[in-house]
Amino acid sequence: AQSVTQLDSQVPVFEEAPVELRCNYSSSVSVYLFWYVQYPNQGLQLLLKYLSGSTLVKGINGFEAEFNKSQTSFHLRKPSVHISDTAEYFCAVTGGSNYKLTFGKGTLLTVNP
Amino acid sequence: EPEVTQTPSHQVTQMGQEVILRCVPISNHLYFYWYRQILGQKVEFLVSFYNNEISEKSEIFDDQFSVERPDGSNFTLKIRSTKLEDSAMYFCASSGRGYSGANVLTFGAGSRLTVL
Repeated sequence: AQSVTQLDSQVPVFEEAPVELRCNYSSSVSVYLFWYVQYPNQGLQLLLKYLSGSTLVKGINGFEAEFNKSQTSFHLRKPSVHISDTAEYFCAVTGGSNYKLTFGKGTLLTVNP
Repeated sequence: EPEVTQTPSHQVTQMGQEVILRCVPISNHLYFYWYRQILGQKVEFLVSFYNNEISEKSEIFDDQFSVERPDGSNFTLKIRSTKLEDSAMYFCASSGRGYSGANVLTFGAGSRLTVL
């Protein structure tokens, strides 16, 4: 069984500040890791993914995340946020043969002017 | 860019009524999923579908739920007798071939179901 923990339910930041959204996972098999973003009243959009290779992955809108196997983490970062980054961010994991995604509870990022 | 489309975007129904939510997955994808998100809560897995049969379902997916791929392009979720607690956003997703394709799910915009 897999699980995802997003420690911060809400993260308020000022525009142009850096941000890190934390994600930890547990799994008994090799994992693939994802961040999805959900803008208000919209669906889930893939932000970035880690399947293999370099542990630092870059996604859309200037976001990046680093896979750390020893710490079972996949934290999301952006060096300078914009008002338009205000959204709910979900970390998710899959692994094994059924390709089922397990989501964390989400982190609401609010960027203030 | 290929996308997953869902209809309706919003449906309001009376408790006890049957509801069908429709999805058109990406055309060359092989794996299909339904997830739901109750307002303010996390996204929960309901069911996965491959090769015209359910490959896995969660404990939420009880006998009142069913899925079907009736014509090779649509993928439907039926709720036979809706309850108040079925009110949620329902997301359809699909994924493709190989380990990179199959593990990367593309989600639709969702269907919001409100049960009164």
